[in-house]
Amino acid sequence: GQQLNQSPQSMFIQEGEDVSMNCTSSSIFNTWLWYKQEPGEGPVLLIALYKAGELTSNGRLTAQFGITRKDSFLNISASIPSDVGIYFCAGRAGTASKLTFGTGTRLQVTL
Amino acid sequence: GAVVSQHPSWVICKSGTSVKIECRSLDFQATTMFWYRQFPKQSLMLMATSNEGSKATYEQGVEKDKFLINHASLTLSTLTVTSAHPEDSSFYICSARDTRSVSYEQYFGPGTRLTVT
Repeated sequence: GQQLNQSPQSMFIQEGEDVSMNCTSSSIFNTWLWYKQEPGEGPVLLIALYKAGELTSNGRLTAQFGITRKDSFLNISASIPSDVGIYFCAGRAGTASKLTFGTGTRLQVTL
Repeated sequence: GAVVSQHPSWVICKSGTSVKIECRSLDFQATTMFWYRQFPKQSLMLMATSNEGSKATYEQGVEKDKFLINHASLTLSTLTVTSAHPEDSSFYICSARDTRSVSYEQYFGPGTRLTVT
């Protein structure tokens, strides 16, 4: 099935640093979602975006819905050890459509 | 709110046997549930969409006779892996869509790790 391209594939950062990751698609989506998955667990929804150009924050996390509707960005400020995990973007074409997931960005935070 | 559970959390079975995995929405009703499979270090791949009271819709390449899905109620969907083989070993994750939510968001279960020996 189709997957969205996420970059970077993995990141090793120091505690306190800011993190940026993005997700691109060859097709348009009307909803962009960002999830975090920890080992042996299911994904947890972090941020949902519903409008092109929308910028939404959830604590230290900020995500943007790209103007072209073909990309989205997630930023994490002042990273902490519990930010460790895999971050997935997901796109949805229509309200009741299925989700298409990105390839994931693996984040490691060192003290 | 919006909690989804899966049972079992892990299971080991012998090749050739069948395994049933349950997905429940605990505090909301879900007319639609989804089943995903995730191999190590890979993303989630949608296997099928399960609709309450009707047949599931399978993604291309997923054998419907091997992965039987039943969505008998608004809070329960089951995935049965029939005649399991080692290549079916994977992390199976379900999600449920809250019918009350205008945003149509999916909430994910904690996953079931299947190991076929």
